[in-house]
Amino acid sequence: SAVISQKPSRDICQRGTSLTIQCQVDSQVTMMFWYRQQPGQSLTLIATANQGSEATYESGFVIDKFPISRPNLTFSTLTVSNMSPEDSSIYLCSAKTGSGEKLFFGSGTQLSVL
Amino acid sequence: DAKTTQPTSMDCAEGRAANLPCNHSTISGNEYVYWYRQIHSQGPQYIIHGLKNNETNEMASLIITEDRKSSTLILPHATLRDTAVYYCIVRVASNTGKLIFGQGTTLQVKP
Repeated sequence: SAVISQKPSRDICQRGTSLTIQCQVDSQVTMMFWYRQQPGQSLTLIATANQGSEATYESGFVIDKFPISRPNLTFSTLTVSNMSPEDSSIYLCSAKTGSGEKLFFGSGTQLSVL
Repeated sequence: DAKTTQPTSMDCAEGRAANLPCNHSTISGNEYVYWYRQIHSQGPQYIIHGLKNNETNEMASLIITEDRKSSTLILPHATLRDTAVYYCIVRVASNTGKLIFGQGTTLQVKP
């Protein structure tokens, strides 16, 4: 199993600013992902965080808006850049260990943009 | 990945079995059925997955029809803490691991 910690758990930001969300896993994982959950909606996959290389983004998400880093097997960051109120969402980090099929999730970062 | 269809919401009485259906009529032979749930203000939690045989673990049972076009997640004795959104996801088991979530079923367990 894996325990995923996200920081911050919530934040209120001004439009035009950027916020970096940290995701720390308590064990080495093979895959890490970032999701967004807009109010009242399901989860949408933003990107796969690749260790030591550029993230793989899903359709509709771009690196300039959501730069992602993954410097090692247990840590990743997601930055939400040049924020607007439409970026107000919960951002969730998830990870997959080894060859197992389970995906583990953090509790999320609730972001409000004013 | 095959598309899934789930009812938007369901109610269940506390202590009774909760049966959550999922339709995946376009599922292909190498696609698994996964179930996750999301309790309010938490990240999603893995429940169970299966290919074609019925599966059971400490949380739930998964019943997959013989033609694999639908499945049912069974929570044998629902409690108030089982109130959550339940997601049925179909995908090929692979090294990518990523999951694409649909809208899910909101299960309300009532006393």
